[in-house]
Amino acid sequence: GAVVSQHPSRVICKSGTSVKIECRSLDFQATTMFWYRQFPKQSLMLMATSNEGSKATYEQGVEKDKFLINHASLTLSTLTVTSAHPEDSSFYICSASGGKGATEAFFGQGTRLTVV
Amino acid sequence: QKEVEQNSGPLSVPEGAIASLNCTYSDRGSQSFFWYRQYSGKSPELIMFIYSNGDKEDGRFTAQLNKASQYVSLLIRDSQPSDSATYLCAVKGNQGGKLIFGQGTELSVKP
Repeated sequence: GAVVSQHPSRVICKSGTSVKIECRSLDFQATTMFWYRQFPKQSLMLMATSNEGSKATYEQGVEKDKFLINHASLTLSTLTVTSAHPEDSSFYICSASGGKGATEAFFGQGTRLTVV
Repeated sequence: QKEVEQNSGPLSVPEGAIASLNCTYSDRGSQSFFWYRQYSGKSPELIMFIYSNGDKEDGRFTAQLNKASQYVSLLIRDSQPSDSATYLCAVKGNQGGKLIFGQGTELSVKP
């Protein structure tokens, strides 16, 4: 399968600061990237869908001003959690679609965010 | 009604047995169906996808799709302790290609 690299894998930040998470497709052009959040023992909840060069589409209940998504190139999307609070602590996972077998989406390794 | 439903389990099977994981979905317009495996603390990894009614086999795994019943399943033959994980069913509809996940079924394979 295609390779999607997500960085960092773990981050601890202080409440009120911002954190940027990167998602890169290494061997294909990702026309679409998806950002998910997963709380312990729960499933993946889609936060937003981003298409290269256009604004992200956010799911209902997700604050677009808090979770800034940029998809400036076909290989890179970023999620910035602004003014993070302890309740934002979660496992954030990106997935990318657009390579061979475009119906498939490949996941990054995930980022464990802890806000203290 | 949730869009994609799975029995959360845990499902416990002995080593060597067949594990059967089930998933139902609500959107009749759904086009493609995916099974992911997720180990604790890790990202999901794709096991199989299926588009057409019937069975699709890949090694020890068989996916089964019945669009009339809005039902998709995953069979794992000769289950191994390393198969112990949470299995996520995901469905892709017509809306922008996004995947909708079920809550996952925790599988435990006992040696």
